[in-house]
Amino acid sequence: DMKVTQMPRYLIKRMGENVLLECGQDMSHETMYWYRQDPGLGLQLIYISYDVDSNSEGDIPKGYRVSRKKREHFSLILDSAKTNQTSVYFCASSLVTEVFFGKGTRLTVV
Amino acid sequence: AQSVTQPDARVTVSEGASLQLRCKYSSSVTPYLFWYVQYPRQGLQLLLKYYSGDPVVQGVNGFEAEFSKSNSSFHLRKASVHWSDSAVYFCAVSTHSNYQLIWGSGTKLIIKP
Repeated sequence: DMKVTQMPRYLIKRMGENVLLECGQDMSHETMYWYRQDPGLGLQLIYISYDVDSNSEGDIPKGYRVSRKKREHFSLILDSAKTNQTSVYFCASSLVTEVFFGKGTRLTVV
Repeated sequence: AQSVTQPDARVTVSEGASLQLRCKYSSSVTPYLFWYVQYPRQGLQLLLKYYSGDPVVQGVNGFEAEFSKSNSSFHLRKASVHWSDSAVYFCAVSTHSNYQLIWGSGTKLIIKP
């Protein structure tokens, strides 16, 4: 069963706290992504990872960093979260052009 | 540079009526084209894709899309919508030289009973 799993699904953090969003996939895909989705803005690419320790900035990397130490796992880290980072975050993995998405993490920074 | 435009942020259709969601793209080469659907509180799921060949491609749940090179379009259609089709639909493009997807802003489909 091809699956991208995101944990947690819902998260509330205070401004200034560190945030860790985790993502796993069971398809051995080399390429993985982190997006954020805000109303009316569609999907914005934060980071893309081409394999273990091979990460590239997307369109909006500021305030975020990532870690990929195993092909199956890709983490998104917010150091000192800000209120404008309140959003829904999606992890995805791809095989060539076909992209598979997780169900998202709804992060609220208060 | 590639870009995707979905000109309609919201579309309202009566149940049983036909549907067209518009997608226009800009690309210097013929791109790969995709439609994804996002149901409430879910991630995006692939609906259909076009790589080459027959310009009309069939997807899941009775959806189809037609590629038009002359119009730089990839519109999504369905002959008769069901209430369960209520969702947000995203058009996306990529090329064979760079598989990274460029996303449209999405169209929210509302089905009236």
